Amino acid sequence: DTGVSQNPRHKITKRGQNVTFRCDPISEHNRLYWYRQTLGQGPEFLTYFQNEAQLEKSRLLSDRFSAERPKGSFSTLEIQRTEQGDSAMYLCASSTNTESYEQYFGPGTRLTVT
Amino acid sequence: AQTVTQSQPEMSVQEAETVTLSCTYDTSESNYYLFWYKQPPSRQMILVIRQEAYKQQNATENRFSVNFQKAAKSFSLKISDSQLGDTAMYFCAFVYNFGNEKLTFGTGTRLTIIP
Repeated sequence: DTGVSQNPRHKITKRGQNVTFRCDPISEHNRLYWYRQTLGQGPEFLTYFQNEAQLEKSRLLSDRFSAERPKGSFSTLEIQRTEQGDSAMYLCASSTNTESYEQYFGPGTRLTVT
Repeated sequence: AQTVTQSQPEMSVQEAETVTLSCTYDTSESNYYLFWYKQPPSRQMILVIRQEAYKQQNATENRFSVNFQKAAKSFSLKISDSQLGDTAMYFCAFVYNFGNEKLTFGTGTRLTIIP
């Protein structure tokens, strides 16, 4: 399977704990996006990488959130000191430098903060 | 700021019928792309159809077609001969920044195809 993969698929954590999610994009895709989707809402943009460079961060991404993409391959999203409001589906998507602007989405990581 | 509005939270239709999902958007940009994405239950989001704003011709992909009204900022999706596998959340999305193609999504329409 050469699609976008995300791990873990589900994460339950207690408030105050740190969590880290991983995204493996399609291998030739140089662009990688993180979105957050809460219940009943559409996905909201969090951050964007082109290769290893993080080019934009949404104001939704508080200081407790950090994302990396070492060597322009997989990416990690870490949330420190989780809060109940962080409970959501975290989606990763990747794309290439084409004019189709199509993004390929992973299955997401569902985070529940208790 | 760009916004996307989907005014139909839920819809249902009998199998084999035609259904139209509505989407309106607001932007001051002249060059942009519009998308419909499908998110089946517990499965990942996939692209259904794409429309370039500079093209007057409405996009079609098999049973899926759009009605793009640029002046009205409207972008509806028509699904013909609906199938059970069409049951999903459908999101209208917009992109304009062609350096960072971050998507702006609507809130979605939950479509149920009834056997």
